[in-house]
Amino acid sequence: EVQLVESGGGMVQPGRSLRLSCVGSGFTFKNFGMHWVRQVPGRGLEWVSRISWNSGGIDYADSVKGRFTISRDNARNSLYLQINSLRPEDTALYFCVKGQTSLPANALSDWGQGTLVTVSS
Amino acid sequence: SYVLTQPPSVSVAPGQTASIPCGGDNFGFKSVHWYQQKPGQAPVLVVYDDYDRPSGIPERFSGSNSGDTATLTISRVEAGDEADYYCQMWDSASDHVVFGGGTKLTVL
Repeated sequence: EVQLVESGGGMVQPGRSLRLSCVGSGFTFKNFGMHWVRQVPGRGLEWVSRISWNSGGIDYADSVKGRFTISRDNARNSLYLQINSLRPEDTALYFCVKGQTSLPANALSDWGQGTLVTVSS
Repeated sequence: SYVLTQPPSVSVAPGQTASIPCGGDNFGFKSVHWYQQKPGQAPVLVVYDDYDRPSGIPERFSGSNSGDTATLTISRVEAGDEADYYCQMWDSASDHVVFGGGTKLTVL
C-alpha cells in the first residue's frame, strides 16, 4: 500500500521560512515523479511544484516561483519543499503527491493527508 | 496559462446519472484526469487518461474527452458519491499541472 506522510507544517510569521518533508513507502520511490499540491481550506486544488524521478526536471507554479524549492532524496524515500519569504496567501494544506509514472503528463495517483501551513503575524 | 473550466455545482437524484463537464481549449491529445475529494479527506484519483479507472474505482465512474470538453459521468449515483470533483491535465506549453476549479456534486 502506498503511503505518503507529510510533516513540517505549522504557524509561521510572514517573511519567515519553512521546510516541508514527505516520506513515501509501499512503492519504489526513485522511479516516480513527485508533486506538491496545496489547498486553502474551503477552496480548490492548486498545483505548486513537481520534480522528476532523478531531479532532472523541476517545475513551479508562477505564484511560487523564486520562493519555493522542491527537492528529493531517493536514498531516504523523501520529498521536500523549502518555502521562503512566506506570505499570508501561502496559508494552505500542502499535499505530497505521487505521480502515476515518471512522466509529468500522467495522473497524480496517490496523495498524502497533507500538512497545514498557516502564515500569520 | 491554460484554464480548465468546471461548473461550481451539479445536483442529481440518487440512482440517476451525473455528468460533470470540464472545458478547455483544444484538449486534442492531452489526457484529462479526474479526482474525487470528500470533506476532510485527500483527493482520490477516479479516472485517468480521459476514461481509464484505477483499480478499486467502481465501473459507475467513467470519463470521455470530445476535444474541447472532458466529462466525468457517474451512473446510478449514490449518497456516498457526494463530493468535490476536479479535472486536471498537464500543460506542456508551460510545463504546469492545471486543475479545474472543482465541481461540488450534491445528491438530492
